[in-house]
Amino acid sequence: GDSVTQMEGPVTLSEEAFLTINCTYTATGYPSLFWYVQYPGEGLQLLLKATKADDKGSNKGFEATYRKETTSFHLEKGSVQVSDSAVYFCALKTSYDKVIFGPGTSLSVIP
Amino acid sequence: GAVVSQHPSRVICKSGTSVKIECRSLDFQATTMFWYRQFPKQSLMLMATSNEGSKATYEQGVEKDKFLINHASLTLSTLTVTSAHPEDSSFYICSAGRGGATYNEQFFGPGTRLTVL
Repeated sequence: GDSVTQMEGPVTLSEEAFLTINCTYTATGYPSLFWYVQYPGEGLQLLLKATKADDKGSNKGFEATYRKETTSFHLEKGSVQVSDSAVYFCALKTSYDKVIFGPGTSLSVIP
Repeated sequence: GAVVSQHPSRVICKSGTSVKIECRSLDFQATTMFWYRQFPKQSLMLMATSNEGSKATYEQGVEKDKFLINHASLTLSTLTVTSAHPEDSSFYICSAGRGGATYNEQFFGPGTRLTVL
């Protein structure tokens, strides 16, 4: 069935470090791909999305490219800040409109 | 735009009682809403898909008689946890899709923290 796999956390980085969180997926058809962020004690927020192959989603310095050939949607940011500390979820929306989430990756950025 | 609210944000109840959680799309109509459950430090698990005016579709392993879902209008879906027990304690999150059959994004509510004593 459809599924999403993310790199295991937690990830701890120093401020201004480069961030990569790997995400790969398995799906039939052509899913849309998303990254959601959940700050401590809050609900989910959409960070960025891509709806077709080779699309690049970007927001707040984060970006991810929909790679159909490798079934990946890795999240990157060139210089993280303490305020980026949160849990990041990779997700896909199937052709049946269900959203399937990855297990989440906790990121801690230290000054 | 595209705001989804949930009420209550937190609820504590005694074992054996029932709890109702509301999910509202504030500035758009949602023919489909989704209910998720999130355990501490884990991902969201889809419980059911709620369709306006029809019965909800439950995911495998979710007890439909325990988690009653009603989607009475295009802006409101409710989840009732019946005869709650401590193992039902969790974070419940709803989402709503905007744009009818062609929508490409779900908007999430802030979640409801349920604690069953």
